[in-house]
Amino acid sequence: AQKITQTQPGMFVQEKEAVTLDCTYDTSDPSYGLFWYKQPSSGEMIFLIYQGSYDQQNATEGRYSLNFQKARKSANLVISASQLGDSAMYFCAMSDRDSNYQLIWGAGTKLIIKP
Amino acid sequence: ETGVTQTPRHLVMGMTNKKSLKCEQHLGHNAMYWYKQSAKKPLELMFVYNFKEQTENNSVPSRFSPECPNSSHLFLHLHTLQPEDSALYLCASSQDQDSSTDTQYFGPGTRLTVL
Repeated sequence: AQKITQTQPGMFVQEKEAVTLDCTYDTSDPSYGLFWYKQPSSGEMIFLIYQGSYDQQNATEGRYSLNFQKARKSANLVISASQLGDSAMYFCAMSDRDSNYQLIWGAGTKLIIKP
Repeated sequence: ETGVTQTPRHLVMGMTNKKSLKCEQHLGHNAMYWYKQSAKKPLELMFVYNFKEQTENNSVPSRFSPECPNSSHLFLHLHTLQPEDSALYLCASSQDQDSSTDTQYFGPGTRLTVL
């Protein structure tokens, strides 16, 4: 069974608009971590934001925030005031004891910001 | 140098060649990883080293041979590769591999083409 699901293969968003990238996960472990990474066309995988399963508040890092809905097993990434440089692939990943703390990756969402 | 570096950035090799990929991390981490990213496929974990000991080998063919001489350096030795081995090879490091909070930081990758 797929443990990380990203349902949006691609998205087009107008510059300066906010964008939400969806991610749902599946685990029976009460302790887990959720991660978002950005991969520009250059190839480097850039860590954006982390949310722990016991964290009471949604994680935020600058223009990135994570909409964590534990009961729905959803960890959507929100990018506010999108910029042209945000165009990239975005990957959601999870770490839990079942995976021996290795990252389980989603298929990714290709985000294109239109000027 | 900061973060995780990888050399070379691009490599073209024939099927009979022997080459090596190098990864170095300047983050004081204890775990290092090799991933393969083929076009249109999710990231595939190849090898994990934790405190210089190999802890994961995800059924990788023996034509890929990792080496971790110390916790800052990781190599991937390549020999007798096949065209289907053409991919982006990403190196990552993390503090250690024992919790769901452990965040992996990636290098820029080596784009490998096997002719």
